[in-house]
Amino acid sequence: KAGVTQTPRYLIKTRGQQVTLSCSPISGHRSVSWYQQTPGQGLQFLFEYFSETQRNKGNFPGRFSGRQFSNSRSEMNVSTLELGDSALYLCASSPTPFGANVLTFGAGSRLTVL
Amino acid sequence: DQQVKQNSPSLSVQEGRISILNCDYTNSMFDYFLWYKKYPAEGPTFLISISSIKDKNEDGRFTVFLNKSAKHLSLHIVPSQPGDSAVYFCAASLDRGSTLGRLYFGRGTQLTVWP
Repeated sequence: KAGVTQTPRYLIKTRGQQVTLSCSPISGHRSVSWYQQTPGQGLQFLFEYFSETQRNKGNFPGRFSGRQFSNSRSEMNVSTLELGDSALYLCASSPTPFGANVLTFGAGSRLTVL
Repeated sequence: DQQVKQNSPSLSVQEGRISILNCDYTNSMFDYFLWYKKYPAEGPTFLISISSIKDKNEDGRFTVFLNKSAKHLSLHIVPSQPGDSAVYFCAASLDRGSTLGRLYFGRGTQLTVWP
């Protein structure tokens, strides 16, 4: 079956702009999590959604937001982009947030802020 | 505050020998640990996991050891193969029963296996 699909794969923005990233989880998976990967910090948790509700949020400013739709697809938005937002944004899905499931990651969206 | 630490950014091992990747954590409430492997231009893929109630879990060439008293876990790959060359991330979960989506990751170790 198809894996976790993230679009776009690459994008370039300038400071002050905003960006929306999309994630389609594995069919049947209802939980979606987002992570930011930078060379200096590794993978940092952004947020987790399940049944259209945000269950957890990491330590990121309010410029970072997300949502989940009824079909479990998710989007994240970053407003007023800063140079430091340049990173690989990874989406992961699991059937539910509970129990013995493991996260399956997409290939990521590489954001460059100039 | 990095609660999961991988202090070796890189490791180089000859093919056929053992690779040992180490991970330390500070939060004693972590109850589930995972290793992920990441190739360039791909997302991390799950490799192996271990519950805090165990001290060892084995899957083929991969074995994870957990030492709770030392807050330390390690991943052993035997024998190492060139295809194992990748970045390995250690991750931990606070409560697998309710917050699986939130994992705490180390910064990764680049493993290079040379022929």
